[in-house]
Formats: sequence, C-alpha cells, structure tokens
Amino acid sequence: DIVMTQTPLSSPVTLGQPASISCRSSQSLVHSDGNTYLSWLQQRPGQPPRLLIYKISNRFSGVPDRFSGSGAGTDFTLKISRVEAEDVGVYYCMQATQFPFTFGPGTKVDIK
Amino acid sequence: QLQLQESGPGLVKPSETLSLTCTVSGGSISSSSYYWGWIRQPPGKGLEWIGSIYYSGSTYYNPSLKSRVTISVDTSKNQFSLKLSSVTAADTAVYYCAGLLGGHLDYWGQGTLVTVSS
Repeated sequence: DIVMTQTPLSSPVTLGQPASISCRSSQSLVHSDGNTYLSWLQQRPGQPPRLLIYKISNRFSGVPDRFSGSGAGTDFTLKISRVEAEDVGVYYCMQATQFPFTFGPGTKVDIK
Repeated sequence: QLQLQESGPGLVKPSETLSLTCTVSGGSISSSSYYWGWIRQPPGKGLEWIGSIYYSGSTYYNPSLKSRVTISVDTSKNQFSLKLSSVTAADTAVYYCAGLLGGHLDYWGQGTLVTVSS
C-alpha cells in the first residue's frame, strides 16, 4: 500500500494569516495514464469530508480560491492564503493512483 | 448535483454481518462516469477506504478487508450496498458512501455510525 504522511499534524493559525500543509507519499503518485491522483479533503467538525482539490491543484466546484494545491511526484502542499473561521477542521490528503486508495493521517487546523 | 444517503442498522452484534445501503439521488448510478465507494472512520480517527463498485458490477476491495467485504449495486433502485461479515468492535466506525470521479471523491453521504456491541 502507498503510505501517506502529513506535516504538521496540528496547525494553530491566526485568522487572516496563511496556512500550509505538506503531504508526502511513500512512492510516486504519477499514474501510468500521466495523471497524478492526489486530492485534498476538508472535514469540518461533525461533518463528512468534502473535496477541496483534485489532481494536485484543481479546485473543486464552489471551493474558495484561497485554497490552492501544488506539488509533484511524492511531495504535495495545500495552502490556505488567508485562514477564515470556517476553515477550522481536519485536512486529509488522499491518493487514488494505486489500489487500495489511502489517506494521510489528517492535519487539524484550528484558530489560535 | 448528486446526493448520497446511507441507511442501515446503527448497532450490530459481534460476529454478525454489517449491512448498509447508499441511495443516490440527483443522478443515475448507472452513469458511466462514476465509481461508487465506501469509506469508514473509527471515532476520533482517520479515513479508511473499504472498496468501490462500478455500475456494471465490477468491484475493488481493500485487501485488508477483502475476505469480509461485499459491495453490490442495484441500478433499478439507484442504490449500492455494503456487507461486512464477522464484525468485531474494531469495525465500529462512521461509514460513508461516496461517488468517485476520475480518481477523486466528489460527493459524500452524511455518514452513519455503526457500533459493534452485544
């Protein structure tokens, strides 16, 4: 299985300030079709996960542009340009390049 | 926009079979674009992929659960289902159904908590 790791596991941030989460995979996520199936999910307290970013850097419908994704190969980053109160929650990276699909352990973002 | 809703018993006894159904609305489960998946999350923990199914019936199961999992689809009811046999307390979790498009989980159900206890 591809192991996904995230840093930090907890990130207290100040409202209006940026936040960054790193995700690393145990092997390259480049699929044989040329795509990299790395996505980011947000889980607000008491809610199901919600897709934010897919294929490294594509924002899903309705996702604010303060969220951005970048990276390649085995190293990926989610950035929030200016954290808002509604961004509190746990963020997961997920790979769907190889079965079984696997998730990172999650990064908890809360407000200082 | 697709909506997914899980249903099934919230309490299952050890050694019995957990059975859940996901009803898809706002679109056809037979859409050639989507795979349909089950993911679970033990209380206070992270996410685990259980398996997925295409409307044609082709499936993929997580090897860690493969011997106990069956996922099926009923296109006439626009539903897909999960069965997990021989459950233990370790199977206590919130179970989510989701729609998978192009390698990403676009749509999620609200989740249903299943507790394994006698």
